[in-house]
Amino acid sequence: NAGVMQNPRHLVRRRGQEARLRCSPMKGHSHVYWYRQLPEEGLKFMVYLQKENIIDESGMPKERFSAEFPKEGPSILRIQQVVRGDSAAYFCASSPGQESYGYTFGSGTRLTVV
Amino acid sequence: DQQVKQNSPSLSVQEGRISILNCDYTNSMFDYFLWYKKYPAEGPTFLISISSIKDKNEDGRFTVFLNKSAKHLSLHIVPSQPGDSAVYFCAASAGNTPLVFGKGTRLSVIA
Repeated sequence: NAGVMQNPRHLVRRRGQEARLRCSPMKGHSHVYWYRQLPEEGLKFMVYLQKENIIDESGMPKERFSAEFPKEGPSILRIQQVVRGDSAAYFCASSPGQESYGYTFGSGTRLTVV
Repeated sequence: DQQVKQNSPSLSVQEGRISILNCDYTNSMFDYFLWYKKYPAEGPTFLISISSIKDKNEDGRFTVFLNKSAKHLSLHIVPSQPGDSAVYFCAASAGNTPLVFGKGTRLSVIA
């Protein structure tokens, strides 16, 4: 297992289109976290999921953003009707449990909205 | 409101010298603290951590110090090497809640 896999690495969308970002956690990890890094900013928590459940979405914008982690397949972060302000690096992390020290991050998806 | 603050956006250190990266936090419920290192175009990688019951943790060239009364932690790298040049993020957690990150400090180690 190569670790946490995110794809695509780079995604360009026009304003108003939809963006889908995928994250496959490490083998044996059932907890997934999505973070966003805006230019010159730190990593901002968006959402925490376990298989088929959203545990904490306190960092997710209320509109246009949604996330899922189905029983089979990767976790998906979906952004509808993208705007220029959505341009950022989106990182996914996984852990085997709720322990804070167990996070492994993927390489991220860089979303550019034109 | 920023619960985890890294007030120095950048730091330059000569190779072989000590690098000291600082981090302050405001949430007294934080009980676990971590440092992550990030290279360009890569995800953050875990470096070292410390529980609130300790005041120091050491791993090779890296040592993290925690001062709970001051709500301050620091990462010491000694001796610094050019390969240490990266962005360092301080992160904290309260009772296994998702990690809260600072804005990062860009360390440049000059040969």
